[in-house]
Amino acid sequence: AQSVAQPEDQVNVAEGNPLTVKCTYSVSGNPYLFWYVQYPNRGLQFLLKYITGDNLVKGSYGFEAEFNKSQTSFHLKKPSALVSDSALYFCAVRDINSGYSTLTFGKGTMLLVSP
Amino acid sequence: DAGVIQSPRHEVTEMGQEVTLRCKPISGHDYLFWYRQTMMRGLELLIYFNNNVPIDDSGMPEDRFSAKMPNASFSTLKIQPSEPRDSAVYFCASSLRGLAGSTGELFFGEGSRLTVL
Repeated sequence: AQSVAQPEDQVNVAEGNPLTVKCTYSVSGNPYLFWYVQYPNRGLQFLLKYITGDNLVKGSYGFEAEFNKSQTSFHLKKPSALVSDSALYFCAVRDINSGYSTLTFGKGTMLLVSP
Repeated sequence: DAGVIQSPRHEVTEMGQEVTLRCKPISGHDYLFWYRQTMMRGLELLIYFNNNVPIDDSGMPEDRFSAKMPNASFSTLKIQPSEPRDSAVYFCASSLRGLAGSTGELFFGEGSRLTVL
């Protein structure tokens, strides 16, 4: 079985400050990990993914995420937040070793960046 | 590529009416997914297809819901009869897995917002 937890319903940060959106996962094997962003009245857009290799993954719009196997975490980060980053963020996981599995999504974290 | 295309973007209907939502996946993608998003339940996987064949429909809420994929470029999600509790945003997504077992990230359409009065 695979699961994802996003412990925060909402994250508030001031523009220009660093931001972190938390994600922890559970898989029986090795994970593929993803972050998606959803702007109001839009579909989910792919931001970045971790497959293997470097634990720090860089993605779109200046976002990055750090894979930590010992803590089973994949937190999303950005050094300097923009008001336009305000959106709903989803973490997702797929177990590589399960043969085939669909992505399991977290419940989402709303990021609000204030001017 | 134009991405995943869904229609209609908005649908308002009355309880008891039939609703049909449509999806055109990205050309060449071999998996197609239907999701439902509500405030209360978040993002729920309803059904997915591989090479036009339904693989898992365990997320379909009840027999009022049905989905088809007659060819690689078109899928429908039908609700008959519709009820107010079906009001939600319905997303279609596609991905490419292929033989090499790619990482399989999903590409989402813009969604169909359904309101059942």
